[in-house]
Amino acid sequence: GAGVSQSPRYKVAKRGQDVALRCDPISGHVSLFWYQQALGQGPEFLTYFQNEAQLDKSGLPSDRFFAERPEGSVSTLKIQRTQQEDSAVYLCASGGRLNTEAFFGQGTRLTVV
Amino acid sequence: GQNIDQPTEMTATEGAIVQINCTYQTSGFNGLFWYQQHAGEAPTFLSYNVLDGLEEKGRFSSFLSRSKGYSYLLLKELQMKDSASYLCAVRDNGGFKTIFGAGTRLFVKA
Repeated sequence: GAGVSQSPRYKVAKRGQDVALRCDPISGHVSLFWYQQALGQGPEFLTYFQNEAQLDKSGLPSDRFFAERPEGSVSTLKIQRTQQEDSAVYLCASGGRLNTEAFFGQGTRLTVV
Repeated sequence: GQNIDQPTEMTATEGAIVQINCTYQTSGFNGLFWYQQHAGEAPTFLSYNVLDGLEEKGRFSSFLSRSKGYSYLLLKELQMKDSASYLCAVRDNGGFKTIFGAGTRLFVKA
């Protein structure tokens, strides 16, 4: 596709449920970022991939959060045993190797009830 | 610590010029970004500065002073569609982690 695609757009999960959020980056983009955005706040960095290598996962808030990009293209962010504080919009962004700009997907709005 | 400060809200009139300031204190610096985000939508890239000075791109310009830890985004000939949040973000030395400010909500009135 022409842009970054994320699915699902909306997800409601019961507390304790596991969820998986998908990101399809722009074809050929080496860099892929995951961010968490709370209402009224800027995006918070979660993790960064360069191709299939996860080079920075310092922003993942706990060991319940796990991200992968096994073939250097599609990425999945998995949250285990979801908690209410995990409710947020999860944004994926991709870019070229130099990272001089990033293209964001529409995000997945996760609501944990 | 890492901190990016920008005003919470600004209001300006259609056709006018507005300057949105951003100050940062980060452990490293490898570039500063400005993004526009309309409510409920994804951020869209506006500008990238890594060297001091002014970068102009159409109605939008961005300025950086690394020694002062300061940037601004200048929007000229404001249009109603410019009403949005404007996010300032700094990339750290490692080149991966990008730290965003909370954003400045700009309201453009007729």
